Amino acid sequence: DTAVSQTPKYLVTQMGNDKSIKCEQNLGHDTMYWYKQDSKKFLKIMFSYNNKELIINETVPNRFSPKSPDKAHLNLHINSLELGDSAVYFCASLQSGTSGFYEQYFGPGTRLTVT
Amino acid sequence: ELKVEQNPLFLSMQEGKNYTIYCNYSTTSDRLYWYRQDPGKSLESLFVLLSNGAVKQEGRLMASLDTKARLSTLHITAAVHDLSATYFCAVDGFGNEKLTFGTGTRLTIIP
Repeated sequence: DTAVSQTPKYLVTQMGNDKSIKCEQNLGHDTMYWYKQDSKKFLKIMFSYNNKELIINETVPNRFSPKSPDKAHLNLHINSLELGDSAVYFCASLQSGTSGFYEQYFGPGTRLTVT
Repeated sequence: ELKVEQNPLFLSMQEGKNYTIYCNYSTTSDRLYWYRQDPGKSLESLFVLLSNGAVKQEGRLMASLDTKARLSTLHITAAVHDLSATYFCAVDGFGNEKLTFGTGTRLTIIP
């Protein structure tokens, strides 16, 4: 069973389009994240949600809008896609508050290519 | 702003040799993580270091944390080809479960 899953795995689209990436975790965790990994492999946090509530919102264009319908799901919607949005997007989850152990589990990634 | 620096960025080494990857960070933290990423794959957790002086070992990899020096090391012993990957350290700088990642070290083991 996949702990953290993402769909789609690959996404190729044209500039100006709107697209969504979905993430689901079956670990029972209450915190979920979106990260962006650019072409140089640099990883940066974008958002985090705890129990459907937005906790971390980094300096991300407001074309990016996360949505958490329940604590097992965190989706990422991107409006008006730009070339610079091309990257690999990783979802991760965490059980917060557990004593001493705060390991984040990462999904397989979604490779977004904007042409 | 928390900064996390790794060096070297690229490391090419022969099988059987030992080497160390360094991770420096700019603010006090006692939570540091090491991840491995194979090409085109996700991040796999290797070590979680939660206190000063913490040392963890798994196979040919050993990680340590010195919170006073704000330094973690990932030591590779007698490298084998299977260890070729990109290694990231990540720091939870403010105890708020927000990870700041290092730049990554791309390790290539040459037979």
